[in-house]
Amino acid sequence: GAGVSQSPRYKVAKRGQDVALRCDPISGHVSLFWYQQALGQGPEFLTYFQNEAQLDKSGLPSDRFFAERPEGSVSTLKIQRTQQEDSAVYLCASSLGPAGETQYFGPGTRLLVL
Amino acid sequence: AQSVTQPDIHITVSEGASLELRCNYSYGATPYLFWYVQSPGQGLQLLLKYFSGDTLVQGIKGFEAEFKRSQSSFNLRKPSVHWSDAAEYFCAVGSSYKLIFGSGTRLLVRP
Repeated sequence: GAGVSQSPRYKVAKRGQDVALRCDPISGHVSLFWYQQALGQGPEFLTYFQNEAQLDKSGLPSDRFFAERPEGSVSTLKIQRTQQEDSAVYLCASSLGPAGETQYFGPGTRLLVL
Repeated sequence: AQSVTQPDIHITVSEGASLELRCNYSYGATPYLFWYVQSPGQGLQLLLKYFSGDTLVQGIKGFEAEFKRSQSSFNLRKPSVHWSDAAEYFCAVGSSYKLIFGSGTRLLVRP
C-alpha cells in the first residue's frame, strides 16, 4: 500500500508569508506526528495527533505554528508570518496504534524562507 | 534530561568492511530504541527497533544492534558494508509516542 505522502515537496516563501504543509498518512493509521529537521540535525518533535485530537503540541516553536487533523486522516501544518529560522525540512509520520508503535515517515517538505 | 548522542558526525568505511555506529542515550525509564536511515531526498526508513526481550536485535538490510543497559548504548552494526549503505543514520529513543533523535552519523563508503 501507499506510504506517507507530503506536499509540496519544496516550498520557497518570502519572510512574512503564511505557508501550509500537507500530510497524507497511511490509511487507517490512528497516530500522526510532525517533526522539524534543521540542516545537519536530527528531527525534532513538534506535535502528535491521535485521530483528530491533538494530544501533544509541546514541540511547536511558537504560536505562529498551528497543526490540525480535522477528520482524523489528512493533517496540515500551518506556519504564519514565516521567519528565516523556520527554514527546515518538515517531516510527517504515522503509526497504526495510539502509542508505542513504529512510526512511518514521509519524504518531508523542504521549506526555505527568504 | 532525555537525550541521544551520536558521537561520530562522519564515518568512512571501505566497501566490504564491517561497520559500527555508536549511539548513547539518557532516559529516565526503559526506553524504546530505534535506528533509522535517511537517504538524500528521502524520508526516514526504520532499520530496527528494540522494545524488550533479547538485547541483540536484527533488522533489515543485514543490520543489527545491541542494547547494553549498563552502558546506555544501542550501537548499530553490519558485518559487510555495501556501497548502497551510504546515507545518514539516526538513533532515536522514545516512550509511548514521542521520539528523540540524535544528530545523525553520515556514512561514506569507499569503493
